[in-house]
Formats: sequence, structure tokens, C-alpha cells
Amino acid sequence: SQTIHQWPATLVQPVGSPLSLECTVEGTSNPNLYWYRQAAGRGLQLLFYSVGIGQISSEVPQNLSASRPQDRQFILSSKKLLLSDSGFYLCAWSPYTVGEQYFGPGTRLTVT
Amino acid sequence: AQTVTQSQPEMSVQEAETVTLSCTYDTSESNYYLFWYKQPPSRQMILVIRQEAYKQQNATENRFSVNFQKAAKSFSLKISDSQLGDTAMYFCAFATGTASKLTFGTGTRLQVTL
Repeated sequence: SQTIHQWPATLVQPVGSPLSLECTVEGTSNPNLYWYRQAAGRGLQLLFYSVGIGQISSEVPQNLSASRPQDRQFILSSKKLLLSDSGFYLCAWSPYTVGEQYFGPGTRLTVT
Repeated sequence: AQTVTQSQPEMSVQEAETVTLSCTYDTSESNYYLFWYKQPPSRQMILVIRQEAYKQQNATENRFSVNFQKAAKSFSLKISDSQLGDTAMYFCAFATGTASKLTFGTGTRLQVTL
């Protein structure tokens, strides 16, 4: 069966510090991968998605970037965090061209 | 652009009762999928039910069923025999196009009470 991992689970970082969140998927190959951000009490905003190694699409301009160095690994990064980067970050994967996504447990990021 | 609207920010239902959550969407696509996701206090998103737009039959998963009205672009979720564990945020979502991108509604917070 497939599983998706995210780490860390929680993170507190000062403004201006770098960020690296990691997501890995097990039990499948060539998945579509996604990064979402959820502000408190709000819906999910798609940040990035990837259909293959090295292929990254950005949905909104922001202070973040994403990379996919391996087939089942998706990394969300920032060189300098802003207060507005605080939120709950969810990674997801899908085996489909069009279909449902399966989510990881999420990372709660607080920028102080 | 696709949009998903959930007009009920909060709802409450008593245990064992039935509740219906509303969702409308807007798209010009003909091939798409609709989903309901549940987000309990742990905040992990859990797929509840899926509906393919080309299927006329409404999807059902145990106590969860949908009322899919394609012409009206409506996709409501019915939860029967509500349980305390159903307390969560419920998000309606829509997928179309390449890469299975999802567009989410703003969510409905459901509280199941004794």
C-alpha cells in the first residue's frame, strides 16, 4: 500500500531564516505531487505541483520554492521566511491524471 | 477558472441524525471529478467520497452519500446516522485538467452533539 510522509510535524522559525519541508511517498512510482498551504480556519491553497522529476509548476507568486530531486520526494523551501509564511503545509500525491489526491499528515509552521 | 462554493460555514447535528452539507461549483469542463474531504482536529485530510461527472448514479460510501445534480452544478454530501467521530471540517473539491489539480471550497465545520 502507499504511504506519504512529511517532516517535520511542527516547526518554529524566526523571520529571515531558511526553510526546508520534506515529503516522501512510498509504494508507488511516478506520482503527481502537490504542496498546499492552509491558513487558520481557511481552505487549502495549492502552491506547487509536479508531474515528474525536475518538473515544478507554481500556482501563486510567493516567497517559497519547490523541488523534486527524486521521483517520490518533494521539497518545499524558502531562503528567507516571512511572517506571512506561517500556516499548515500539506503535501499530497495522486496516481491519476485527473482524480483524487491523498494527503500527508502536514507540517505546522510558525514564523516568529 | 473553476470555483467551488460552500455556503454553510458551520453546521450542527445531533448524534444518530442526518445532515446535508451543500456545495456548488462552476466549470466549463465536461470531464471532471468531485470529492468530499474530511479534516478532523488532527488536520489530516481524509477522502470521504468521490463522484465522476460522467456517472449519473450518486456515489455512496457506507453512511456517506452524495446528491450530484450536474445541470445545477450542485454536489451535496449527506451523512446518515451521524457519529461523534464525524465532527470535522468538510471540504468540497473539484478536479479537472492535467495533473489532477484540486480546487477546494472554504469548508463547512460540522459539530456532532450528544
